[in-house]
Amino acid sequence: NAGVMQNPRHLVRRRGQEARLRCSPMKGHSHVYWYRQLPEEGLKFMVYLQKENIIDESGMPKERFSAEFPKEGPSILRIQQVVRGDSAAYFCASSSGQGVYEQYFGPGTRLTVT
Amino acid sequence: SQQGEEDPQALSIQEGENATMNCSYKTSINNLQWYRQNSGRGLVHLILIRSNEREKHSGRLRVTLDTSKKSSSLLITASRAADTASYFCAPDQTGANNLFFGTGTRLTVIP
Repeated sequence: NAGVMQNPRHLVRRRGQEARLRCSPMKGHSHVYWYRQLPEEGLKFMVYLQKENIIDESGMPKERFSAEFPKEGPSILRIQQVVRGDSAAYFCASSSGQGVYEQYFGPGTRLTVT
Repeated sequence: SQQGEEDPQALSIQEGENATMNCSYKTSINNLQWYRQNSGRGLVHLILIRSNEREKHSGRLRVTLDTSKKSSSLLITASRAADTASYFCAPDQTGANNLFFGTGTRLTVIP
């Protein structure tokens, strides 16, 4: 039973380029969460999605960031026109439900903007 | 703040000793979860304690929850070098869609 998969593991982008981060949840999980972690800090919630729906995007920056979780395929976190401040580790987690459910985390994608 | 706040920020102990980490939060919760993060890796779920539970055990881990004080503690007994990691508490806030993480306790176990 594969865990949460994220790719790429490392991504280097120049300022102004686009970054696409992918997350495949655990089998049977339909709830996906994206978090961002800056160096020496905890994880900050960005967005919560279910299949084809954004449930809560209260942690997403208003501009340049978007997320989707299509009916088929992985969840995508997209960052347009990246800036150096976007450099961070981005973690995806999945759960089988909402509420009293543990979240299973992927290994993360480390984005470096040069 | 909606997030859990771990204390201490860093803890260094000898192998074989016990390690205790504390977490405080400010809102009502459904449950509280503890996670571990090894350097450069994703988080690993350790244990979940529900709001109506006071204590829970899992192997060498013991978690307590005091909802009246809005606090939790994680005890790791007979620590090992492999326990070296950052530990985060995540209160599952009532009505929230996500977990709120603090900055963690960085535990170093010296062989």
